[in-house]
Amino acid sequence: AQKVTQAQTEISVVEKEDVTLDCVYETRDTTYYLFWYKQPPSGELVFLIRRNSFDEQNEISGRYSWNFQKSTSSFNFTITASQVVDSAVYFCALLASGGSYIPTFGRGTSLIVHP
Amino acid sequence: DGGITQSPKYLFRKEGQNVTLSCEQNLNHDAMYWYRQDPGQGLRLIYYSQIVNDFQKGDIAEGYSVSREKKESFPLTVTSAQKNPTAFYLCASSTRGTYYEQYFGPGTRLTVT
Repeated sequence: AQKVTQAQTEISVVEKEDVTLDCVYETRDTTYYLFWYKQPPSGELVFLIRRNSFDEQNEISGRYSWNFQKSTSSFNFTITASQVVDSAVYFCALLASGGSYIPTFGRGTSLIVHP
Repeated sequence: DGGITQSPKYLFRKEGQNVTLSCEQNLNHDAMYWYRQDPGQGLRLIYYSQIVNDFQKGDIAEGYSVSREKKESFPLTVTSAQKNPTAFYLCASSTRGTYYEQYFGPGTRLTVT
């Protein structure tokens, strides 16, 4: 069975703080893919990043960075120097053959950045 | 511009009525999906289709129906059998394959009273 856990339901920070959103996944497959999506107040989910299970290199894109650790089955997302525009719900998702390659989403973490 | 359109943004219906939500994409994607989102529940898969004229039930298909007669279109009907239809509905599409990200539409917020 596939499972994605985002234990943080809501995080509240003040602008310019760094914040990390946690994602823990479960799968028996050795080949799988992990994703992060952002859902701003407008409602439309926006794709942020995809990682495959064979690539554990961390990735940085501007103020965003992702830490993938297979040893702990985690794929955490850090926003550096947060801004009000980062306020959104963030979803982590898992894609694997055990789930018929249909994405399994976590419940999302609501990030509120105060000015 | 390529993308996914869902219409309308807000929809109101009386209990007992069927209602159809529109989803159209011009991304040339083979696969399309319907999700339901309730507060605190994340995204729950209703139906998906990986090719024209074929679709599969997701985790919460009861009370819903779909069709996939054209590659570009994947309408969702919320029937009167759906016990709690008020929710935010999201349509998505992706390139057919094992590892592609999904592209989402803006969603339709359905309120049934």
